Amino acid sequence: DIQMTQSPSFLSASVGDRVTLSCKASQNINKYLAWYQQKLGEAPKLLIYNANSLQTGIPSRFSGSGSGTDFTLTISSLQPEDVATYFCLQHNSWWTFGGGTKLELK
Amino acid sequence: QVRLKESGPRLVQPSQTLSVTCTVSGFSVTSYHVSWVRQPPGKGLEWVGAIWKGGSTDYNSALKSRLSISRDTSKNQVFLKMNSLQTDDTGTYYCAKHHGTYYYVMDAWGQGASVTVSS
Repeated sequence: DIQMTQSPSFLSASVGDRVTLSCKASQNINKYLAWYQQKLGEAPKLLIYNANSLQTGIPSRFSGSGSGTDFTLTISSLQPEDVATYFCLQHNSWWTFGGGTKLELK
Repeated sequence: QVRLKESGPRLVQPSQTLSVTCTVSGFSVTSYHVSWVRQPPGKGLEWVGAIWKGGSTDYNSALKSRLSISRDTSKNQVFLKMNSLQTDDTGTYYCAKHHGTYYYVMDAWGQGASVTVSS
Protein backbone atom coordinates (compact mmCIF):
# COMPACT_ATOMS: atom_id res chain seq x y z
CA ASP A 1 0.00 0.00 0.00
CA ILE A 2 1.11 3.55 -0.75
CA GLN A 3 1.63 5.72 2.32
CA MET A 4 1.27 9.49 2.18
CA THR A 5 3.11 11.72 4.65
CA GLN A 6 2.27 15.40 5.03
CA SER A 7 4.39 18.02 6.72
CA PRO A 8 4.17 20.01 8.79
CA SER A 9 1.18 18.74 10.77
CA PHE A 10 0.53 22.23 12.02
CA LEU A 11 1.45 25.61 10.54
CA SER A 12 0.95 29.14 11.76
CA ALA A 13 1.38 31.99 9.25
CA SER A 14 0.43 35.63 8.76
CA VAL A 15 -1.90 37.19 6.23
CA GLY A 16 0.05 37.81 3.04
CA ASP A 17 2.63 35.11 3.73
CA ARG A 18 3.67 32.60 1.10
CA VAL A 19 2.81 29.19 2.53
CA THR A 20 4.18 25.86 1.37
CA LEU A 21 2.77 22.49 2.38
CA SER A 22 4.47 19.19 1.63
CA CYS A 23 3.20 15.73 0.78
CA LYS A 24 5.46 12.72 0.22
CA ALA A 25 4.49 9.36 -1.21
CA SER A 26 6.12 6.08 -0.18
CA GLN A 27 6.51 5.16 -3.84
CA ASN A 28 6.20 6.73 -7.26
CA ILE A 29 2.68 8.01 -7.91
CA ASN A 30 3.55 9.89 -11.10
CA LYS A 31 1.36 13.02 -11.13
CA TYR A 32 -1.68 11.43 -9.51
CA LEU A 33 -2.04 13.66 -6.49
CA ALA A 34 -4.87 15.90 -5.36
CA TRP A 35 -5.08 18.56 -2.66
CA TYR A 36 -8.17 19.33 -0.62
CA GLN A 37 -9.15 22.05 1.82
CA GLN A 38 -11.43 21.24 4.72
CA LYS A 39 -12.85 23.92 6.98
CA LEU A 40 -14.38 23.02 10.31
CA GLY A 41 -17.78 21.46 9.84
CA GLU A 42 -17.66 21.67 6.06
CA ALA A 43 -17.20 19.19 3.24
CA PRO A 44 -13.70 18.81 1.81
CA LYS A 45 -13.14 20.99 -1.25
CA LEU A 46 -10.97 19.94 -4.19
CA LEU A 47 -8.24 22.50 -4.89
CA ILE A 48 -5.72 20.77 -7.15
CA TYR A 49 -5.74 17.52 -9.12
CA ASN A 50 -3.12 15.79 -11.25
CA ALA A 51 -0.53 17.49 -9.03
CA ASN A 52 -0.78 20.92 -10.65
CA SER A 53 -4.23 21.40 -12.24
CA LEU A 54 -6.33 24.06 -10.51
CA GLN A 55 -9.94 23.04 -9.97
CA THR A 56 -12.52 25.35 -11.50
CA GLY A 57 -13.45 28.20 -9.20
CA ILE A 58 -10.40 27.94 -6.95
CA PRO A 59 -8.42 31.19 -6.50
CA SER A 60 -5.17 31.39 -8.42
CA ARG A 61 -3.18 31.96 -5.22
CA PHE A 62 -3.36 28.18 -4.82
CA SER A 63 -0.92 26.13 -6.87
CA GLY A 64 0.47 22.63 -6.85
CA SER A 65 3.71 21.14 -8.04
CA GLY A 66 5.70 17.93 -7.98
CA SER A 67 5.73 14.46 -9.45
CA GLY A 68 6.92 11.03 -8.46
CA THR A 69 7.09 11.07 -4.67
CA ASP A 70 7.39 14.73 -3.64
CA PHE A 71 4.59 17.24 -3.95
CA THR A 72 3.89 20.77 -2.77
CA LEU A 73 0.83 22.94 -2.30
CA THR A 74 1.62 26.65 -2.29
CA ILE A 75 -0.59 29.52 -1.22
CA SER A 76 1.08 32.59 -2.69
CA SER A 77 -0.50 35.12 -0.35
CA LEU A 78 -2.34 33.73 2.65
CA GLN A 79 -5.84 35.08 3.23
CA PRO A 80 -7.93 34.80 6.43
CA GLU A 81 -10.41 32.51 4.67
CA ASP A 82 -7.61 30.03 3.99
CA VAL A 83 -7.59 28.86 7.61
CA ALA A 84 -8.39 25.16 7.26
CA THR A 85 -6.91 21.70 7.24
CA TYR A 86 -5.30 20.68 3.97
CA PHE A 87 -4.82 17.09 2.96
CA CYS A 88 -3.36 15.32 -0.03
CA LEU A 89 -4.72 12.27 -1.77
CA GLN A 90 -2.86 9.90 -4.06
CA HIS A 91 -4.98 8.42 -6.81
CA ASN A 92 -2.33 6.43 -8.66
CA SER A 93 -3.19 3.12 -7.00
CA TRP A 94 -6.57 3.11 -5.33
CA TRP A 95 -6.73 6.04 -2.91
CA THR A 96 -4.64 6.98 0.12
CA PHE A 97 -4.84 10.21 2.06
CA GLY A 98 -2.17 12.12 3.90
CA GLY A 99 -2.64 12.94 7.56
CA GLY A 100 -3.30 16.62 6.91
CA THR A 101 -1.77 20.00 7.71
CA LYS A 102 -3.74 22.33 9.96
CA LEU A 103 -3.15 25.94 8.91
CA GLU A 104 -3.93 28.81 11.23
CA LEU A 105 -3.29 32.56 11.31
CA LYS A 106 -0.46 33.91 13.41
CA GLN B 1 -25.56 22.45 -8.54
CA VAL B 2 -23.87 19.27 -7.38
CA ARG B 3 -24.81 18.22 -3.85
CA LEU B 4 -24.26 15.10 -1.80
CA LYS B 5 -25.86 14.52 1.57
CA GLU B 6 -25.20 11.62 3.90
CA SER B 7 -27.80 10.36 6.35
CA GLY B 8 -27.77 7.60 8.88
CA PRO B 9 -27.89 6.70 12.56
CA ARG B 10 -25.67 8.64 14.92
CA LEU B 11 -25.27 5.71 17.31
CA VAL B 12 -24.81 2.04 16.47
CA GLN B 13 -24.28 -0.86 18.86
CA PRO B 14 -21.08 -2.94 18.56
CA SER B 15 -21.48 -6.00 16.34
CA GLN B 16 -24.45 -4.40 14.58
CA THR B 17 -24.70 -3.14 10.99
CA LEU B 18 -24.22 0.44 9.90
CA SER B 19 -26.36 1.77 7.08
CA VAL B 20 -25.62 5.17 5.58
CA THR B 21 -27.41 6.74 2.61
CA CYS B 22 -25.91 9.26 0.22
CA THR B 23 -28.55 11.29 -1.60
CA VAL B 24 -27.17 13.21 -4.54
CA SER B 25 -28.52 16.01 -6.70
CA GLY B 26 -27.15 17.86 -9.68
CA PHE B 27 -25.81 14.69 -11.27
CA SER B 28 -26.82 11.09 -11.87
CA VAL B 29 -25.18 8.15 -10.11
CA THR B 30 -25.39 6.35 -13.46
CA SER B 31 -23.09 8.97 -15.01
CA TYR B 32 -20.48 9.43 -12.29
CA HIS B 33 -18.65 7.13 -9.88
CA VAL B 34 -19.27 7.61 -6.15
CA SER B 35 -16.91 6.70 -3.33
CA TRP B 36 -17.27 6.38 0.41
CA VAL B 37 -14.54 7.76 2.66
CA ARG B 38 -14.39 7.72 6.44
CA GLN B 39 -12.49 9.63 9.11
CA PRO B 40 -12.10 8.46 12.70
CA PRO B 41 -12.07 11.29 15.27
CA GLY B 42 -8.73 13.08 15.23
CA LYS B 43 -7.32 10.79 12.54
CA GLY B 44 -6.80 10.78 8.80
CA LEU B 45 -9.16 9.87 6.00
CA GLU B 46 -9.57 6.35 4.67
CA TRP B 47 -11.10 5.28 1.37
CA VAL B 48 -13.81 2.74 2.09
CA GLY B 49 -15.09 1.75 -1.32
CA ALA B 50 -16.72 2.88 -4.53
CA ILE B 51 -19.61 2.15 -6.82
CA TRP B 52 -18.82 2.81 -10.45
CA LYS B 53 -21.28 4.44 -12.78
CA GLY B 54 -21.96 1.07 -14.41
CA GLY B 55 -22.94 -0.39 -11.03
CA SER B 56 -19.89 -2.48 -10.20
CA THR B 57 -18.13 -1.98 -6.88
CA ASP B 58 -14.66 -1.99 -5.37
CA TYR B 59 -13.79 -2.08 -1.70
CA ASN B 60 -10.86 -1.31 0.57
CA SER B 61 -9.23 -4.70 1.01
CA ALA B 62 -9.01 -4.22 4.77
CA LEU B 63 -12.77 -3.74 5.03
CA LYS B 64 -14.03 -5.80 2.12
CA SER B 65 -15.43 -8.70 4.14
CA ARG B 66 -17.75 -6.35 6.05
CA LEU B 67 -18.83 -4.00 3.30
CA SER B 68 -21.59 -3.62 0.78
CA ILE B 69 -22.16 -0.61 -1.47
CA SER B 70 -25.27 -0.41 -3.61
CA ARG B 71 -27.51 2.18 -5.21
CA ASP B 72 -31.06 3.09 -6.18
CA THR B 73 -30.82 4.82 -9.53
CA SER B 74 -34.48 5.90 -9.47
CA LYS B 75 -33.83 7.88 -6.28
CA ASN B 76 -30.25 8.87 -7.14
CA GLN B 77 -29.03 7.35 -3.89
CA VAL B 78 -25.98 5.32 -2.92
CA PHE B 79 -25.93 3.08 0.13
CA LEU B 80 -23.14 1.93 2.42
CA LYS B 81 -23.61 -1.04 4.68
CA MET B 82 -20.92 -2.22 7.06
CA ASN B 83 -21.48 -5.13 9.40
CA SER B 84 -19.82 -6.41 12.56
CA LEU B 85 -19.12 -2.89 13.75
CA GLN B 86 -16.45 -2.23 16.36
CA THR B 87 -15.62 0.91 18.32
CA ASP B 88 -12.83 1.80 15.91
CA ASP B 89 -15.45 2.15 13.15
CA THR B 90 -16.55 5.32 14.91
CA GLY B 91 -16.09 8.37 12.74
CA THR B 92 -17.50 10.55 10.01
CA TYR B 93 -18.58 8.82 6.82
CA TYR B 94 -18.45 10.86 3.61
CA CYS B 95 -19.68 10.15 0.12
CA ALA B 96 -17.85 11.77 -2.75
CA LYS B 97 -18.50 12.15 -6.46
CA HIS B 98 -15.73 11.40 -8.93
CA HIS B 99 -14.64 13.75 -11.71
CA GLY B 100 -16.23 13.02 -15.06
CA THR B 101 -13.02 13.11 -17.06
CA TYR B 102 -10.36 12.28 -14.48
CA TYR B 103 -12.42 9.54 -12.91
CA TYR B 104 -9.83 8.83 -10.21
CA VAL B 105 -10.32 12.32 -8.70
CA MET B 106 -13.04 12.95 -6.11
CA ASP B 107 -14.30 16.42 -6.96
CA ALA B 108 -17.32 16.93 -4.71
CA TRP B 109 -18.05 15.69 -1.21
CA GLY B 110 -20.93 15.63 1.21
CA GLN B 111 -20.63 17.10 4.68
CA GLY B 112 -20.48 13.67 6.25
CA ALA B 113 -22.50 11.56 8.66
CA SER B 114 -21.09 11.22 12.15
CA VAL B 115 -21.40 7.70 13.56
CA THR B 116 -20.53 6.50 17.05
CA VAL B 117 -20.20 2.79 17.74
CA SER B 118 -20.94 2.26 21.39
CA SER B 119 -23.13 0.24 23.70
